Amino acid sequence: GAVVSQHPSRVICKSGTSVKIECRSLDFQATTMFWYRQFPKQSLMLMATSNEGSKATYEQGVEKDKFLINHASLTLSTLTVTSAHPEDSSFYICSAEYVGRTNEKLFFGSGTQLSVL
Amino acid sequence: QQQVKQSPQSLIVQKGGISIINCAYENTAFDYFPWYQQFPGKGPALLIAIRPDVSEKKEGRFTISFNKSAKQFSLHIMDSQPGDSATYFCAASMNSGYSTLTFGKGTMLLVSP
Repeated sequence: GAVVSQHPSRVICKSGTSVKIECRSLDFQATTMFWYRQFPKQSLMLMATSNEGSKATYEQGVEKDKFLINHASLTLSTLTVTSAHPEDSSFYICSAEYVGRTNEKLFFGSGTQLSVL
Repeated sequence: QQQVKQSPQSLIVQKGGISIINCAYENTAFDYFPWYQQFPGKGPALLIAIRPDVSEKKEGRFTISFNKSAKQFSLHIMDSQPGDSATYFCAASMNSGYSTLTFGKGTMLLVSP
């Protein structure tokens, strides 16, 4: 199946710093990628939809100036958590939509555990 | 408003037993119902999915049962194995659009040896 690589898998940062998370579709082009946030033992909550070459669409309640999304190419989307604070600590997951002849259309990255001290 | 309700929150099953996880939805516009399996520290992976035009779909040991009138669907794992221990999420979306994909709260399954 298609592979989505997410990097880094884990990051620890100081409060006030910015953190960039990368999501790459390794063997397919993804015009649409999604970013989720997951708290421990909770479900995935969609944060934003990232479309190549255009501005991301943010879900209600998600601060677009806080969570900057850039989808500059068909294989890469980045999420930057700006001026991170402890309440931003969470598991962030990306997914990419595959347009092809498969039953499975949505592939997830392995996630990034962000810990803000 | 939680659009997809999942139960139970956790489940312990003996090896070889049947694991059953249930989900109920509210939005009748949903037309795609996938189940995802997630291991600790990893992203979810699609396990099996169903559309409302069929009442059951089976893939190996995994079966989805779908009841359109009751707006419910369930995952059955036959001959459960310790390697099946993971968190399972049901989800639903409309018009096959993943931006509308709504997840249940998840079920933590533990299969005891």
